[in-house]
Amino acid sequence: GESVGLHLPTLSVQEGDNSIINCAYSNSASDYFIWYKQESGKGPQFIIDIRSNMDKRQGQRVTVLLNKTVKHLSLQIAATQPGDSAVYFCADRLTGGGNKLTFGTGTQLKVEL
Amino acid sequence: GAVVSQHPSRVICKSGTSVKIECRSLDFQATTMFWYRQFPKQSLMLMATSNEGSKATYEQGVEKDKFLINHASLTLSTLTVTSAHPEDSSFYICSAPFSAGGTTRNSPLHFGNGTRLTVT
Repeated sequence: GESVGLHLPTLSVQEGDNSIINCAYSNSASDYFIWYKQESGKGPQFIIDIRSNMDKRQGQRVTVLLNKTVKHLSLQIAATQPGDSAVYFCADRLTGGGNKLTFGTGTQLKVEL
Repeated sequence: GAVVSQHPSRVICKSGTSVKIECRSLDFQATTMFWYRQFPKQSLMLMATSNEGSKATYEQGVEKDKFLINHASLTLSTLTVTSAHPEDSSFYICSAPFSAGGTTRNSPLHFGNGTRLTVT
């Protein structure tokens, strides 16, 4: 079956440092990937997405990298701030799967002052 | 601002009763909405796809008679947990594909803020 998983359950970084959150996916038929941020007690918040025909996409302070060869996805957060503390999920969609997303297990990002 | 609104945010009910959760798309139409469930410190698990004007599509292992989904309009989907039991206590989250450009075929899902259900 399909699985989307994360390498590290918890990541601690110093304020101002860059954060890198990793994600592995197993299905080569995945064509679309999204990163979400979830704060405690809230629903996931869209951060950035990338399609399988790209290998990099940048947003405001965030960059997503996609390596289809090894089925690996990463989220880079520049100059990490206390407000970035949350759980981060990657999610993927299979080709022809409509808008249906499968979520990874999540990484807790803790920003230390 | 929020594009998907969910109500209630919290509900406590007694075992054996039913609870309805509403999910609304704000200022856009959603022919499809998705219902997820999340247990503490775990990921989101898709329960079902809500289809406007037709039956919902349930994921394997999700009881359709227990989790009733109604998508009667283009802006509202409801999830009713029937005969709730303590093991149904969870965080239920709905989502809808949204794009500022109007086309949703390849749009990311936007999520409501979830409903914390506690069954006593």
